[in-house]
Amino acid sequence: EVQLVESGGGLVQPGGSLRLSCAASGFSFSTYSMNWVRQAPGKGLEWVSYISGGSSTMYYADSVKGRFTVSRDNARNSLYLQMNGLRAEDTAVYYCARDASNNWYGPVVYWGQGTLVTVSS
Amino acid sequence: QTVVTQEPSFSVSPGGTVTLTCGLSSGSVSTTHYPTWYQQTPGQAPRTLIYSTDTRSSGVPDRFSGSILGNKAALTITGAQADDESDYYCVLCLGSGVRVFGGGTKLTVL
Repeated sequence: EVQLVESGGGLVQPGGSLRLSCAASGFSFSTYSMNWVRQAPGKGLEWVSYISGGSSTMYYADSVKGRFTVSRDNARNSLYLQMNGLRAEDTAVYYCARDASNNWYGPVVYWGQGTLVTVSS
Repeated sequence: QTVVTQEPSFSVSPGGTVTLTCGLSSGSVSTTHYPTWYQQTPGQAPRTLIYSTDTRSSGVPDRFSGSILGNKAALTITGAQADDESDYYCVLCLGSGVRVFGGGTKLTVL
C-alpha cells in the first residue's frame, strides 16, 4: 500500500524558514516523480513544485520560485521542501503527492494527508 | 498568466447526470494538457478520479468519466449519489513542467 506521511509543519514568523519532509513507503520511491501541492485555508489547490525520480529535473510555481527548494533522498525514501523567506500567503496545508510514473506531466495519483504551515507573527 | 477555469458551483439531483468543465483563459484544452480531476471533501486529502483526460484511477466507479468537450476538459458524473457532494478540481499541464489547478467546483447533490 502506498503511504505518504508529511511532517515538519508548524508556526513560523514572516521571513523565516521551514523544512517539510515526506516519508514514502509501499512503492519503489526512486522510480516515481514527486510533487508538493498546497491548499490555503478555505481555498483551492495550488501546485508548488515537482522533482523527477533521479532528481535531475525540478520545477516550481512562480509564486515560490527562488524561495522554495525541492529535494529527495532515494536511499531514505524521502521527499523534502525547504521553504525560505516565508510570507503570510504561504500559510497552507502542504501535501506530498506521487505521480503515476516519472514524467513531468504526472499525473498525481497518490496524496499524503498534509502538514499545516502557518506564517504569522 | 494563463488561468484554468471551472464553474464555482453546480447542483445535481440524486440519480441525475452532471458535467463539470475545465477550460483555459486563453486557448483550448487538449489531451496534451493531460487533464486530471480530483475530488475533495472537507478536511480530507484530494482523491484522484480521472487522469490523462479519460483514464479512471484505481477504485473509481465507472459513473465518473472524463473527456474533451469542445474546447474544455469535462468530468461527467452519471447517477449522482449523495456522497458525490464534494469539491472537484481539475489540473492542466501547461508546459515547462508547470501544472495549474482550476479554482474548483463545489458540487451539491439535492
